[in-house]
Amino acid sequence: AQKVTQAQTEISVVEKEDVTLDCVYETRDTTYYLFWYKQPPSGELVFLIRRNSFDEQNEISGRYSWNFQKSTSSFNFTITASQVVDSAVYFCALSAAGGTSYGKLTFGQGTILTVHP
Amino acid sequence: GAVVSQHPSRVICKSGTSVKIECRSLDFQATTMFWYRQFPKQSLMLMATSNEGSKATYEQGVEKDKFLINHASLTLSTLTVTSAHPEDSSFYICSARDPGSIGNFFGPGTRLTVL
Repeated sequence: AQKVTQAQTEISVVEKEDVTLDCVYETRDTTYYLFWYKQPPSGELVFLIRRNSFDEQNEISGRYSWNFQKSTSSFNFTITASQVVDSAVYFCALSAAGGTSYGKLTFGQGTILTVHP
Repeated sequence: GAVVSQHPSRVICKSGTSVKIECRSLDFQATTMFWYRQFPKQSLMLMATSNEGSKATYEQGVEKDKFLINHASLTLSTLTVTSAHPEDSSFYICSARDPGSIGNFFGPGTRLTVL
Protein backbone atom coordinates (compact mmCIF):
# COMPACT_ATOMS: atom_id res chain seq x y z
CA ALA A 1 0.00 0.00 0.00
CA GLN A 2 1.10 3.53 -0.65
CA LYS A 3 1.08 6.34 1.86
CA VAL A 4 2.05 9.99 1.79
CA THR A 5 2.49 12.00 4.97
CA GLN A 6 2.63 15.76 5.19
CA ALA A 7 3.17 16.33 8.87
CA GLN A 8 2.69 20.09 8.72
CA THR A 9 -1.00 20.85 8.71
CA GLU A 10 -0.60 24.60 8.59
CA ILE A 11 2.33 26.95 8.15
CA SER A 12 2.23 30.69 8.53
CA VAL A 13 5.08 32.93 7.39
CA VAL A 14 5.71 36.55 6.65
CA GLU A 15 6.39 37.62 3.11
CA LYS A 16 9.97 37.14 1.91
CA GLU A 17 10.64 34.34 4.36
CA ASP A 18 11.74 30.98 3.01
CA VAL A 19 9.47 28.06 3.82
CA THR A 20 9.89 24.31 3.45
CA LEU A 21 6.99 21.91 3.15
CA ASP A 22 7.79 18.37 4.19
CA CYS A 23 6.64 15.19 2.48
CA VAL A 24 7.41 11.62 3.46
CA TYR A 25 6.15 8.65 1.49
CA GLU A 26 5.86 4.89 1.69
CA THR A 27 5.65 2.52 -1.25
CA ARG A 28 6.63 -1.01 -2.18
CA ASP A 29 7.05 -0.08 -5.82
CA THR A 30 10.60 0.01 -7.12
CA THR A 31 9.74 2.75 -9.57
CA TYR A 32 7.30 5.51 -8.88
CA TYR A 33 6.54 9.16 -9.41
CA LEU A 34 6.27 11.91 -6.86
CA PHE A 35 4.26 15.06 -7.40
CA TRP A 36 3.57 18.42 -5.82
CA TYR A 37 0.36 20.32 -6.49
CA LYS A 38 -0.85 23.72 -5.38
CA GLN A 39 -4.55 24.20 -4.67
CA PRO A 40 -5.66 27.82 -4.42
CA PRO A 41 -9.09 28.74 -3.01
CA SER A 42 -10.67 28.17 -6.44
CA GLY A 43 -10.02 24.46 -5.91
CA GLU A 44 -8.29 23.74 -9.18
CA LEU A 45 -5.09 21.74 -8.76
CA VAL A 46 -2.03 23.45 -10.16
CA PHE A 47 0.72 21.04 -11.19
CA LEU A 48 4.14 22.01 -9.84
CA ILE A 49 6.45 19.08 -10.41
CA ARG A 50 6.69 15.38 -11.21
CA ARG A 51 9.81 13.48 -10.22
CA ASN A 52 10.75 9.93 -11.24
CA SER A 53 12.13 7.76 -8.47
CA PHE A 54 15.30 7.17 -10.50
CA ASP A 55 16.12 10.84 -10.59
CA GLU A 56 17.40 12.08 -7.27
CA GLN A 57 18.73 15.33 -8.55
CA ASN A 58 17.37 18.35 -6.80
CA GLU A 59 15.39 20.71 -8.97
CA ILE A 60 14.98 24.44 -8.95
CA SER A 61 12.34 26.40 -10.79
CA GLY A 62 12.39 30.08 -10.02
CA ARG A 63 11.59 30.50 -6.33
CA TYR A 64 10.65 26.84 -6.01
CA SER A 65 13.03 24.00 -5.26
CA TRP A 66 12.61 20.35 -4.43
CA ASN A 67 14.83 18.03 -2.44
CA PHE A 68 14.32 14.33 -3.16
CA GLN A 69 16.02 11.99 -0.71
CA LYS A 70 15.29 8.38 -1.56
CA SER A 71 17.21 7.15 1.48
CA THR A 72 14.75 8.87 3.79
CA SER A 73 11.73 8.60 1.47
CA SER A 74 11.28 12.33 1.49
CA PHE A 75 10.42 14.84 -1.19
CA ASN A 76 10.47 18.28 0.39
CA PHE A 77 9.44 21.49 -1.28
CA THR A 78 10.97 24.89 -0.53
CA ILE A 79 9.65 28.28 -1.52
CA THR A 80 12.27 30.97 -1.38
CA ALA A 81 11.30 34.57 -0.64
CA SER A 82 7.64 33.69 -0.21
CA GLN A 83 4.92 35.95 -1.52
CA VAL A 84 1.29 36.46 -0.58
CA VAL A 85 0.25 34.77 -3.84
CA ASP A 86 1.92 31.58 -2.59
CA SER A 87 -0.84 31.21 -0.01
CA ALA A 88 -2.66 27.97 -0.83
CA VAL A 89 -2.93 24.34 0.12
CA TYR A 90 -0.03 22.26 -1.13
CA PHE A 91 -0.32 18.54 -1.76
CA CYS A 92 2.39 15.98 -2.18
CA ALA A 93 1.33 12.85 -4.08
CA LEU A 94 2.67 9.47 -5.18
CA SER A 95 1.91 7.21 -8.12
CA ALA A 96 3.24 3.92 -9.37
CA ALA A 97 5.36 4.42 -12.45
CA GLY A 98 4.14 1.73 -14.72
CA GLY A 99 1.24 -0.32 -15.86
CA THR A 100 -2.35 0.51 -15.17
CA SER A 101 -1.59 2.17 -11.86
CA TYR A 102 0.20 5.17 -13.29
CA GLY A 103 -1.87 8.26 -12.69
CA LYS A 104 -3.63 6.73 -9.72
CA LEU A 105 -2.42 9.20 -7.14
CA THR A 106 -2.18 8.83 -3.41
CA PHE A 107 -2.26 12.28 -1.85
CA GLY A 108 -0.88 13.54 1.41
CA GLN A 109 -3.13 15.40 3.80
CA GLY A 110 -2.03 18.75 2.46
CA THR A 111 -0.29 21.72 4.06
CA ILE A 112 -2.08 25.04 4.31
CA LEU A 113 0.43 27.78 3.66
CA THR A 114 -0.45 31.33 4.61
CA VAL A 115 1.92 34.10 3.66
CA HIS A 116 1.26 37.37 5.45
CA PRO A 117 2.22 40.72 3.96
CA GLY B 1 -0.32 21.50 -22.60
CA ALA B 2 -3.09 19.00 -22.35
CA VAL B 3 -6.38 20.22 -20.99
CA VAL B 4 -9.08 18.41 -19.11
CA SER B 5 -12.45 20.03 -18.61
CA GLN B 6 -15.27 19.29 -16.22
CA HIS B 7 -18.90 20.24 -16.43
CA PRO B 8 -20.62 21.62 -14.52
CA SER B 9 -18.19 23.54 -12.34
CA ARG B 10 -20.78 23.94 -9.64
CA VAL B 11 -24.13 22.28 -9.01
CA ILE B 12 -26.73 22.56 -6.28
CA CYS B 13 -29.43 19.93 -6.14
CA LYS B 14 -32.15 18.65 -3.88
CA SER B 15 -31.74 15.52 -1.83
CA GLY B 16 -32.82 12.45 -3.73
CA THR B 17 -31.98 13.70 -7.20
CA SER B 18 -29.22 12.43 -9.44
CA VAL B 19 -26.39 14.56 -10.73
CA LYS B 20 -24.14 13.87 -13.70
CA ILE B 21 -20.63 15.28 -13.91
CA GLU B 22 -18.68 15.16 -17.16
CA CYS B 23 -14.94 14.94 -17.56
CA ARG B 24 -13.45 15.54 -20.99
CA SER B 25 -9.94 15.37 -22.32
CA LEU B 26 -9.77 18.15 -24.89
CA ASP B 27 -6.65 17.44 -26.92
CA PHE B 28 -5.77 13.84 -26.29
CA GLN B 29 -7.48 10.48 -26.04
CA ALA B 30 -7.65 9.11 -22.54
CA THR B 31 -8.24 5.40 -22.14
CA THR B 32 -8.05 5.87 -18.41
CA MET B 33 -9.52 8.56 -16.23
CA PHE B 34 -9.67 8.83 -12.47
CA TRP B 35 -12.32 10.29 -10.18
CA TYR B 36 -11.40 11.85 -6.85
CA ARG B 37 -13.48 13.33 -4.07
CA GLN B 38 -12.38 16.05 -1.69
CA PHE B 39 -14.39 16.96 1.39
CA PRO B 40 -13.88 20.44 2.87
CA LYS B 41 -10.45 20.91 4.41
CA GLN B 42 -9.46 17.37 3.55
CA SER B 43 -7.27 15.68 1.02
CA LEU B 44 -8.23 14.15 -2.30
CA MET B 45 -9.32 10.55 -2.15
CA LEU B 46 -9.46 8.34 -5.21
CA MET B 47 -12.95 7.01 -5.79
CA ALA B 48 -12.59 5.00 -8.97
CA THR B 49 -10.66 4.34 -12.13
CA SER B 50 -12.65 4.82 -15.31
CA ASN B 51 -11.63 2.60 -18.23
CA GLU B 52 -12.83 3.25 -21.75
CA GLY B 53 -14.97 0.41 -22.99
CA SER B 54 -15.02 -1.53 -19.75
CA LYS B 55 -16.33 -1.32 -16.22
CA ALA B 56 -14.91 1.12 -13.77
CA THR B 57 -12.78 -0.08 -10.89
CA TYR B 58 -13.90 1.27 -7.54
CA GLU B 59 -11.81 1.85 -4.46
CA GLN B 60 -12.70 0.15 -1.25
CA GLY B 61 -15.64 1.74 0.48
CA VAL B 62 -17.01 3.50 -2.61
CA GLU B 63 -20.50 2.34 -3.57
CA LYS B 64 -20.54 1.53 -7.26
CA ASP B 65 -24.33 1.64 -7.42
CA LYS B 66 -24.35 5.14 -6.00
CA PHE B 67 -21.50 6.54 -8.06
CA LEU B 68 -22.09 5.38 -11.60
CA ILE B 69 -19.19 5.81 -13.98
CA ASN B 70 -19.45 5.59 -17.74
CA HIS B 71 -16.44 5.95 -20.01
CA ALA B 72 -18.19 5.74 -23.34
CA SER B 73 -15.55 7.36 -25.50
CA LEU B 74 -11.84 8.08 -25.46
CA THR B 75 -12.44 11.68 -24.45
CA LEU B 76 -15.36 11.50 -22.06
CA SER B 77 -16.03 9.96 -18.67
CA THR B 78 -19.13 10.71 -16.64
CA LEU B 79 -19.77 10.33 -12.94
CA THR B 80 -23.39 10.16 -11.87
CA VAL B 81 -24.19 10.60 -8.21
CA THR B 82 -27.49 8.79 -7.82
CA SER B 83 -30.05 9.72 -5.18
CA ALA B 84 -27.73 12.35 -3.80
CA HIS B 85 -27.81 13.19 -0.10
CA PRO B 86 -26.25 16.06 1.83
CA GLU B 87 -23.32 13.86 2.85
CA ASP B 88 -22.42 13.56 -0.85
CA SER B 89 -21.72 17.28 -0.96
CA SER B 90 -18.10 17.51 -1.95
CA PHE B 91 -15.61 18.65 -4.56
CA TYR B 92 -15.28 16.07 -7.31
CA ILE B 93 -12.15 16.16 -9.47
CA CYS B 94 -11.27 14.01 -12.43
CA SER B 95 -7.92 13.36 -14.01
CA ALA B 96 -7.02 11.87 -17.37
CA ARG B 97 -3.93 9.96 -18.32
CA ASP B 98 -2.39 10.79 -21.67
CA PRO B 99 -1.07 7.53 -23.12
CA GLY B 100 1.12 9.45 -25.54
CA SER B 101 3.18 10.91 -22.74
CA ILE B 102 3.57 10.35 -19.04
CA GLY B 103 1.20 13.19 -18.41
CA ASN B 104 -1.65 12.98 -15.97
CA PHE B 105 -3.91 15.99 -16.09
CA PHE B 106 -6.53 17.18 -13.65
CA GLY B 107 -9.80 18.86 -14.43
CA PRO B 108 -10.86 22.04 -12.62
CA GLY B 109 -13.29 20.19 -10.35
CA THR B 110 -17.03 20.22 -9.72
CA ARG B 111 -18.43 21.48 -6.46
CA LEU B 112 -21.59 19.58 -5.55
CA THR B 113 -23.94 20.84 -2.89
CA VAL B 114 -26.91 18.69 -1.96
CA LEU B 115 -29.63 20.46 0.00
